[in-house]
Amino acid sequence: NAGVMQNPRHLVRRRGQEARLRCSPMKGHSHVYWYRQLPEEGLKFMVYLQKENIIDESGMPKERFSAEFPKEGPSILRIQQVVRGDSAAYFCASSPATGLDGYTFGSGTRLTVV
Amino acid sequence: GQQVMQIPQYQHVQEGEDFTTYCNSSTTLSNIQWYKQRPGGHPVFLIQLVKSGEVKKQKRLTFQFGEAKKNSSLHITATQTTDVGTYFCAGRGSGGSNYKLTFGKGTLLTVNP
Repeated sequence: NAGVMQNPRHLVRRRGQEARLRCSPMKGHSHVYWYRQLPEEGLKFMVYLQKENIIDESGMPKERFSAEFPKEGPSILRIQQVVRGDSAAYFCASSPATGLDGYTFGSGTRLTVV
Repeated sequence: GQQVMQIPQYQHVQEGEDFTTYCNSSTTLSNIQWYKQRPGGHPVFLIQLVKSGEVKKQKRLTFQFGEAKKNSSLHITATQTTDVGTYFCAGRGSGGSNYKLTFGKGTLLTVNP
C-alpha cells in the first residue's frame, strides 16, 4: 500500500504563475482533504472532496484557488497567479469514511513563491 | 466557528523527563484525534478518542478526553530523543460538519539528550 502520494514535494513558482499540486489518496479511500500549513502554525482546513464532488470548500480562498477530484486520476489543488503569501506546505489527507477514522497524510508539497 | 487551542506552544525537556500538552475546544466535540509531525515531515495519526472521560495508552503515551468532551491531553512519560516533534490535537465537531477536523497549533517538543 503506497499511502497518500503527493507531488511535487517541492515547487518554486514566480509571482503570477500557476501552481498545480497533485494528490493520490490511499487505495480504497474516497475522501480527500487539503490543508495548508504555515511555518510554526497548525493545519488550516481548505477543502474536502469526494470523487467528482466538492463537499466543503469553506476554507479555501474564493479567488485564485480551486480544487477537483475527478473520476479518474489524482485530486488537484490549483493556485492561479500565485503571490508570496501563498508560500506554505500543502498537505493532502485521505480517509475511507467520514467521522470514523484518522486521516492518512501525504508528505506534502512545499510551495515557495519568489 | 469551532476553535481548538493548544498549550504550551513549545516545550523543551531533558531526556527522561515527562511531557504534557493540553488541548481545549470552544465547542463540544464528537471525537478528538492526536497527530505527531517530525521536523520536515508530515502529520502522522496517533490515536482517536470518542467517549467522555476516555483514557487510552500507547506505551509511554497516555491520552485523555475530558468529561465534557471539550478538552484533551497527551502525556509522555520518560521522554526519549525519538519523541521530538510537534504534537497536534484535532477536534471533530458534532452535527452537519462532523467530517471536518479542526487542528490546534501544536506543541513543539524538543528533548535534550
